[in-house]
Amino acid sequence: GQQLNQSPQSMFIQEGEDVSMNCTSSSIFNTWLWYKQDPGEGPVLLIALYKAGELTSNGRLTAQFGITRKDSFLNISASIPSDVGIYFCAGIYNNNDMRFGAGTRLTVKP
Amino acid sequence: GAGVSQSPRYKVAKRGQDVALRCDPISGHVSLFWYQQALGQGPEFLTYFQNEAQLDKSGLPSDRFFAERPEGSVSTLKIQRTQQEDSAVYLCASSLLVGGHEQFFGPGTRLTVL
Repeated sequence: GQQLNQSPQSMFIQEGEDVSMNCTSSSIFNTWLWYKQDPGEGPVLLIALYKAGELTSNGRLTAQFGITRKDSFLNISASIPSDVGIYFCAGIYNNNDMRFGAGTRLTVKP
Repeated sequence: GAGVSQSPRYKVAKRGQDVALRCDPISGHVSLFWYQQALGQGPEFLTYFQNEAQLDKSGLPSDRFFAERPEGSVSTLKIQRTQQEDSAVYLCASSLLVGGHEQFFGPGTRLTVL
């Protein structure tokens, strides 16, 4: 099946630092998405990418859909304490089959 | 309501019991998805509904798992004869469009099987 490898597994950073995480796969995806999940809640969509090479921003978040369609990255600039949480990449191959990475757990120290 | 709701939020079952988990999607959303999320992992796809039709159930781990959405809105995920390995958070998501690339998730039901 289509597996997503997300890295790093966890990050401990200082408030104000920039963060970068990525997701790779041996398979091609047609859509990449990035979600954030807080404890006891469901994932919340941050950014959706629909085209290879696409670079999209949402406030301090920037994500790119890799040219090969096998990878994506998410950057967070000037991190703040509320950025704490688990970030998931997700890839969609066909219309209803979305695969998630294992997540990157972000801790921000004030 | 404004978002996807799920009930109960927590469920403890003895091994062998049947459980039913409910999902209320956002009103008017065509697509509904169920996912299973084990501790420390990302959600894993279970099944997909387009209105009342279950178009994909390839992710259901065994025939003990059954989902329905009889009127194209509320959905129920039923697990028969629960086993310890069924312990997980069960997430429901809905999307406005067919297929639904932008899915809105509920808070999940945490199932613990003793």
